Amino acid sequence: AQSVTQLGSHVSVSEGALVLLRCNYSSSVPPYLFWYVQYPNQGLQLLLKYTSAATLVKGINGFEAEFKKSETSFHLTKPSAHMSDAAEYFCAVTKGGYNKLIFGAGTRLAVHP
Amino acid sequence: GAVVSQHPSRVICKSGTSVKIECRSLDFQATTMFWYRQFPKQSLMLMATSNEGSKATYEQGVEKDKFLINHASLTLSTLTVTSAHPEDSSFYICSARDQTGDTGELFFGEGSRLTVL
Repeated sequence: AQSVTQLGSHVSVSEGALVLLRCNYSSSVPPYLFWYVQYPNQGLQLLLKYTSAATLVKGINGFEAEFKKSETSFHLTKPSAHMSDAAEYFCAVTKGGYNKLIFGAGTRLAVHP
Repeated sequence: GAVVSQHPSRVICKSGTSVKIECRSLDFQATTMFWYRQFPKQSLMLMATSNEGSKATYEQGVEKDKFLINHASLTLSTLTVTSAHPEDSSFYICSARDQTGDTGELFFGEGSRLTVL
């Protein structure tokens, strides 16, 4: 079965600091991995996805993530946090292909001045 | 990007009544849509996969008679919460995939917040 674990339900950073949100996955087949962002009372917006091509994936809003098979990780990073990055972030996995998504528990990112 | 619209965005109903939530893909066709439920400060839980022209596939533990799903066209799926109770209060989110030139991206609706009194 596929699953993802997001380490840290809350992350707080200063504006301008590095953002690192952690995601580890478990999959019996080569996974497709995704990061989504959710603002309060809204749906989800795709930040980036890994679909077995380049292991370093660049997404919107300056975010990127690196697929590391040896570590079964897909951590999300951004070099410099903005106040507007404050939101809930979800890592998700599908079972090889564009199937239903299984979400992690989410990480709430707070950005303070 | 593609747009998925949900309606209503908020609904309040009395216990025992039924509530219908619509999910529309506005500029693409979707043979498959997904319904998620999200409790406050928690992740999204997949409830069911809605298949155009056929029965929905429900996840384990989800009552199919409680949460009726109809996917009558390539652009519309509906979720009906029957005989709603306060414990059904939640944020319901649908998603759909543009099957044409599939990029693998699921597009999400804005969500529908159901409050059962």
